[in-house]
Amino acid sequence: QSALTQPASVSGSPGQSITISCTGTSSDVGGYNYVSWYQQHPGKVPKLMISDVSKRPSGVSNRFSGSKSGNTASLTISGLQADDEADYYCASYTSSSTVVFGGGTRLTVL
Amino acid sequence: EVQLVESGGGLVQPGGSLRLSCAASGFTFSSSGMSWVRQAPGKGLEWVSSIRGSGGSTYYADSVKGRFTISRDDSKNTLYLQMSSLRAEDTAAYYCAKVVGGIDPFDYWGQGTLVTVSS
Repeated sequence: QSALTQPASVSGSPGQSITISCTGTSSDVGGYNYVSWYQQHPGKVPKLMISDVSKRPSGVSNRFSGSKSGNTASLTISGLQADDEADYYCASYTSSSTVVFGGGTRLTVL
Repeated sequence: EVQLVESGGGLVQPGGSLRLSCAASGFTFSSSGMSWVRQAPGKGLEWVSSIRGSGGSTYYADSVKGRFTISRDDSKNTLYLQMSSLRAEDTAAYYCAKVVGGIDPFDYWGQGTLVTVSS
């Protein structure tokens, strides 16, 4: 159950778009359309932002979008806002009937 | 309103045991899958265990398999995590989370309960 690979940090200016990648294997990300993304502000509880690769739960801004190509999933945030500054985690269902998270990405809004 | 309230965390010695509880309300608990996710201080999220709704199957991370047991009491709308043979690396905030689908993703999270394993 190796963790999914995410960049440690990304940054962008207000109004810009950024993309966070999440790389796994054919046994997790590449094998299922069960990739989810979570946002966690410092000291706060994680919040589900994207499920099933690209589905946005009710109440999540349409500035957040998800996609997948092969063994890599991506979270794109458009029109960056100061409140988007947070840690982002991807997660995937696996062929072992387990769930694996990525190591997390710290987004800094410059 | 969905509410998940964890309890049972605390300081325990290596090799010791602890039982966490998660009281749920605001949704049909018996038919919902539930999970435990932990986060070591300053570290990332780690999935620990899931249990399907209606007394269904259980699933564990390799790091806790054989030491932790997830269970539920649908009559009390409560989720449990029995932890034994605790190690220093089990030190973390443990979150209870409601599952949207089978065993993930997690659409509602509790505030977490801190478990510290230390002598």
